Order: sequence, then C-alpha cells, then structure tokens
Amino acid sequence: DAKTTQPTSMDCAEGRAANLPCNHSTISGNEYVYWYRQIHSQGPQYIIHGLKNNETNEMASLIITEDRKSSTLILPHATLRDTAVYYCIVPPYNQGGKLIFGQGTELSVKP
Amino acid sequence: DVKVTQSSRYLVKRTGEKVFLECVQDMDHENMFWYRQDPGLGLRLIYFSYDVKMKEKGDIPEGYSVSREKKERFSLILESASTNQTSMYLCASTTYRGNIYSNQPQHFGDGTRLSIL
Repeated sequence: DAKTTQPTSMDCAEGRAANLPCNHSTISGNEYVYWYRQIHSQGPQYIIHGLKNNETNEMASLIITEDRKSSTLILPHATLRDTAVYYCIVPPYNQGGKLIFGQGTELSVKP
Repeated sequence: DVKVTQSSRYLVKRTGEKVFLECVQDMDHENMFWYRQDPGLGLRLIYFSYDVKMKEKGDIPEGYSVSREKKERFSLILESASTNQTSMYLCASTTYRGNIYSNQPQHFGDGTRLSIL
C-alpha cells in the first residue's frame, strides 16, 4: 500500500492560498491520489482526485509532480470554513476502493 | 449531489445489547462501506459490500456483522455491544463502474457517534 506523509498542522491567513503538501513516494502507476477533508463532527468530504495530470474543480486544485511521488492541494482563497483536517490518500489498487486514512494535516484558517 | 444518510447522529446503548446502524444512499451506488473513527487511530474499515447480499470483511470485522438486502441500504450490526465499540461510525458509498477497483470517490454520511455504557 502506498503510504502518504503530510505535515501535522498548518496555518493560513483568510483570503490567501492554502498549499497542502503530501508525499507518496511508493505510489504505483495505476494508483490515484485522493484528497478529502473532515470538518469537526462531520463525515469526510471528497475534494478532488487525480492520476497524473493536474486537476481543478470548484473546490480546489491538485498539482501532481511529474514523478508522481508528491502532490499539493491548493485552496485558492481560503476561508474560515476551510478550517479542517485534510487527508491525502492513495487507495490500494484492486482492493475495492478501500480508503486508508492517515492522520492528515490540520489546517487552521485565521482571520 | 450524492446523499448518504445515517439514521442517527448520536446513539447511547448498553453493554450486551444488539445494535443496528443504518445507512441509505440515493445515488444507486454499488459499493458501500462501514468505517469507525477513533482518536489517534484514524478511520478503519469494518466491512464493505459490492452488491446486494454481498459482503467482504475489512480490517476490523470482529464483533460486527452487516446486511445488504437492498442496493441503497447497508446496515451495520453490533451483535453484543461492548464498551470498546464506543466510537464514531461512518458509512460511505461509491459507484462500481465495472471494475473491482473503482476510481470514483467515496461519499460519506455525517456519522453516528455511538456510546456503549
């Protein structure tokens, strides 16, 4: 299983971009990178996922390095409501989409 | 938007009781999952199901069973509740797309915080 490594915590000023890094050096060629977040007392919320190319949706952008060993989630204009724990996950291939959540990065957006 | 609904947000039961946690999704998803979340341990997979009447053990199935009689509903059963099953329980679903490994995201409910006294 591809293990991911994320910083334990990060701060970001409201209105600025939040850049959350993730290392996944053992990722294999057919494994995707997923990002979820969990706001206190709620279930995890899907944000974005990608395989090789950079991806963007209404919530965030995902930048994956060319060697696929790391990625960065970008929240372009962070708000106080983006304060949450952010999880970078690489689901094992052919295990039914099973998700393995690590400890994630606790992002605090400050006024 | 995908909607995954768990029957209760908070539940208090007694040791030895049989406990049912219900989960319903409205997107015709084939795959459904039950996780538990504990401080310092993250989310751990209990059981999952690829289709009606099908189930697979996850990483921590002991003390639990599941039922999937209809596609939209996946139930988690604590056969005889114990205090170490006090936890946050999360249900998720995703579509199948004709492949055991789905590259489609899982969508989660808001969780059931279960306390066993």
